[in-house]
Amino acid sequence: DTEVTQTPKHLVMGMTNKKSLKCEQHMGHRAMYWYKQKAKKPPELMFVYSYEKLSINESVPSRFSPECPNSSLLNLHLHALQPEDSALYLCASSQDGRVYGYTFGSGTRLTVV
Amino acid sequence: KQEVTQIPAALSVPEGENLVLNCSFTDSAIYNLQWFRQDPGKGLTSLLLIQSSQREQTSGRLNASLDKSSGRSTLYIAASQPGDSATYLCAGTLGGSQGNLIFGKGTKLSVKP
Repeated sequence: DTEVTQTPKHLVMGMTNKKSLKCEQHMGHRAMYWYKQKAKKPPELMFVYSYEKLSINESVPSRFSPECPNSSLLNLHLHALQPEDSALYLCASSQDGRVYGYTFGSGTRLTVV
Repeated sequence: KQEVTQIPAALSVPEGENLVLNCSFTDSAIYNLQWFRQDPGKGLTSLLLIQSSQREQTSGRLNASLDKSSGRSTLYIAASQPGDSATYLCAGTLGGSQGNLIFGKGTKLSVKP
């Protein structure tokens, strides 16, 4: 299995809702990442988990809450989002990005109404 | 500040033409450089990964080169096809980025039949 699987593919949520995005990989990678991508822009790093510990939090608002229950699974919990949070959310994983590069999932298209 | 720059921002070519996409980076302490393809609204597909010790990598009609001394990488696409139409993103794992990816803004390629 050489894939990063993200669910759901599409999500529409209201500003008062709570939802979660899920990411899974079975490649034995020990680092997992959340990126946010707005239209016509490159992906922006949000969070990095290394060995199931949060190692980088790029000053993301607290309405985004990451969770790494185990080395294969990464969640992004969403609460009280704003319309400007509508974007493509990408998950990635790597064994060691400096050596092996990164594998990305197909993303979750999030629309906040 | 570490940056990855891609030119041109957009490129339109007739089918069958050979083409070159350019990428430059500011940090010569680069671990590797990765080229991705992104179709509209989709995730990132890794095309080629070049380690800092390598000069080029090839996959089918694609050839990517890396010149650390000049801070440049190119992606060469031979005999372009309409199916190659997509946005191509260059991303470097740079020395000062804590092992994380720095993305360029991408080149949007359109191959006309």
